[in-house]
Amino acid sequence: DTGVSQDPRHKITKRGQNVTFRCDPISEHNRLYWYRQTLGQGPEFLTYFQNEAQLEKSRLLSDRFSAERPKGSFSTLEIQRTEQGDSAMYLCASSLEWANYGYTFGSGTRLTVV
Amino acid sequence: DQQVKQNSPSLSVQEGRISILNCDYTNSMFDYFLWYKKYPAEGPTFLISISSIKDKNEDGRFTVFLNKSAKHLSLHIVPSQPGDSAVYFCAACEIGNEKLTFGTGTRLTIIP
Repeated sequence: DTGVSQDPRHKITKRGQNVTFRCDPISEHNRLYWYRQTLGQGPEFLTYFQNEAQLEKSRLLSDRFSAERPKGSFSTLEIQRTEQGDSAMYLCASSLEWANYGYTFGSGTRLTVV
Repeated sequence: DQQVKQNSPSLSVQEGRISILNCDYTNSMFDYFLWYKKYPAEGPTFLISISSIKDKNEDGRFTVFLNKSAKHLSLHIVPSQPGDSAVYFCAACEIGNEKLTFGTGTRLTIIP
């Protein structure tokens, strides 16, 4: 078990391009979360899956954002028509139960939109 | 609307002394609180948590205190070690709700 893996670690893209990030959770974890962290801020909740079902989405997740977890294993987060304000660290986390034992976070994908 | 606040962006403590990190919250619905530690280029790592039915939880060198009436919690690290230098985030949620609300973090530096 290598923990939560995120790919890529860094992504630089031009404004207007689409980007997709991947998260591989810990294998036995059925819960998967996406958070976004900007400079000087704490992580902010984006969305949450239990198995393949997306159960909650933040209002931060605009129509340009979409997340999937097709087979209840890995997840993808896609951002369409990227804007400079999308530049942030995108963190994925997983857990077996709800957060009382703490999520396990991945190292994140740092997105820079130029 | 910052529901979880960490008003000290940074803190420096001598090695061996006690580090005290503070956190305040405004949402009275929060009943579970967690502390995470983050090193550069890594994701946050869970440290310790506390339920609102307790006022103290201890795990080795780490103790979290909760004052519900003041909507305040603190993390005590004693003795502080150089490896404790990191950014510490306070987070809160409602029990059974999957969403964590994080503070802005406090950068702790342990001086050898």
